[in-house]
Amino acid sequence: QVQLVQSGAEVKQPGASVKVSCKASRYTFTGYYMHWVRQAPGEGLEWMGRINPNSGGTNYAQKFQGRVTMTRDTSISTAYMELSRLRSDDTAVYYCARDSEEGATFYVDWGQGTLVTVSS
Amino acid sequence: DIVMTQSPDSLAVSLGERATINCKSSQSVFSGSNNKNYLAWYQQKPGQPPKLLIYWASTRESGVPDRFSGSGSETDFTLTVSSLQAEDVAVYYCQQYYTTVPVTFGQGTKLEIK
Repeated sequence: QVQLVQSGAEVKQPGASVKVSCKASRYTFTGYYMHWVRQAPGEGLEWMGRINPNSGGTNYAQKFQGRVTMTRDTSISTAYMELSRLRSDDTAVYYCARDSEEGATFYVDWGQGTLVTVSS
Repeated sequence: DIVMTQSPDSLAVSLGERATINCKSSQSVFSGSNNKNYLAWYQQKPGQPPKLLIYWASTRESGVPDRFSGSGSETDFTLTVSSLQAEDVAVYYCQQYYTTVPVTFGQGTKLEIK
């Protein structure tokens, strides 16, 4: 079955950047959009954006435009999400999630999540 | 953006009883071209990523117990747990994917045992 394995927890100071990785396996990495969704402590799910691993094309939520960059390395089937100018309210668990087999944007497969803590 | 609003925010139901969670979208998520509603339901337990329960508003994901069912169309949707089990305690989210940029989620409904 599909596996999405994310990098480990990070602690960052305000104003810094963080880069989270999501290594995919057991499917054709370039065949499905990869999305990033975050969840602040005790809060709901918030879509951040997506990347087409085949073309590298991206779409970002307006809220994160100018602060988020999504990239991929097809040679190692890994997607990345970098968030810059971190603030305390960026403290959250960040998930990668793959488009469904049907190509529709509901998520069967999720990474385990990466906790990013922003604190001075 | 399509706004998804769930009700109630929290719900306490006795074991074996029915639980009903509602989700309303700010615009229709029904596509006449394929006759499908672009609506999914997830279950999330503490410390875990969300788990897909229902997609296309009423299609149960493989392996999901049949006590979970989804219904509704256009702007109004319901997730029903027909006979609540202890392991169903979780937060439940609806998600629309009619527009994929952005997809949007409801705020979540916390389901507990009474």
